[in-house]
Amino acid sequence: DGGITQSPKYLFRKEGQNVTLSCEQNLNHDAMYWYRQDPGQGLRLIYYSQIVNDFQKGDIAEGYSVSREKKESFPLTVTSAQKNPTAFYLCASSIDPGLSQPQHFGDGTRLSIL
Amino acid sequence: KNEVEQSPQNLTAQEGEFITINCSYSVGISALHWLQQHPGGGIVSLFMLSSGKKKHGRLIATINIQEKHSSLHITASHPRDSAVYICAVHSGGGADGLTFGKGTHLIIQP
Repeated sequence: DGGITQSPKYLFRKEGQNVTLSCEQNLNHDAMYWYRQDPGQGLRLIYYSQIVNDFQKGDIAEGYSVSREKKESFPLTVTSAQKNPTAFYLCASSIDPGLSQPQHFGDGTRLSIL
Repeated sequence: KNEVEQSPQNLTAQEGEFITINCSYSVGISALHWLQQHPGGGIVSLFMLSSGKKKHGRLIATINIQEKHSSLHITASHPRDSAVYICAVHSGGGADGLTFGKGTHLIIQP
């Protein structure tokens, strides 16, 4: 079955450490997105990519980095510059970068600080 | 930037009740999405609509473009409907994702 796979489901980070969250899709979608979810808040866009080797900052990109070397993969690195990384991270994809079609979501990664 | 407001924030109802969740937004949109988030965190897209009404099983979504308002209805609610329901809008023209409401936490008691 086609879908989006995020790993790991739970991740712990020490102070000053970079961690990378994986997102893989086999839907052949061009557009991919990373969102952050905090309790009591709506999802907020971190980065998005419309096509391989191209990506754009979203509303809260500071302290994060991404790459899009393959169509299927859009990993998110939470750097030590992100001072409050504890959150739930969701990856999504869409067949149409213009969002004329629904987004598909992964099951998320919950990141916590040790 | 579009502001998306959902109401109520929390809703507890008895099995079989008719449920309505509301969503208002501030700026014209190209499409509105209703999403369902289960306790584990994964999100499923329920509807995408830009006008009128859509129905899928016991779920009905309506949108009024002039009033910038959408509703999600659940008929004959069931405990398995318990989830967070999220409204999200796309203002069109760009690929920069959706703007999300904070969600409505629905609990259906047996």
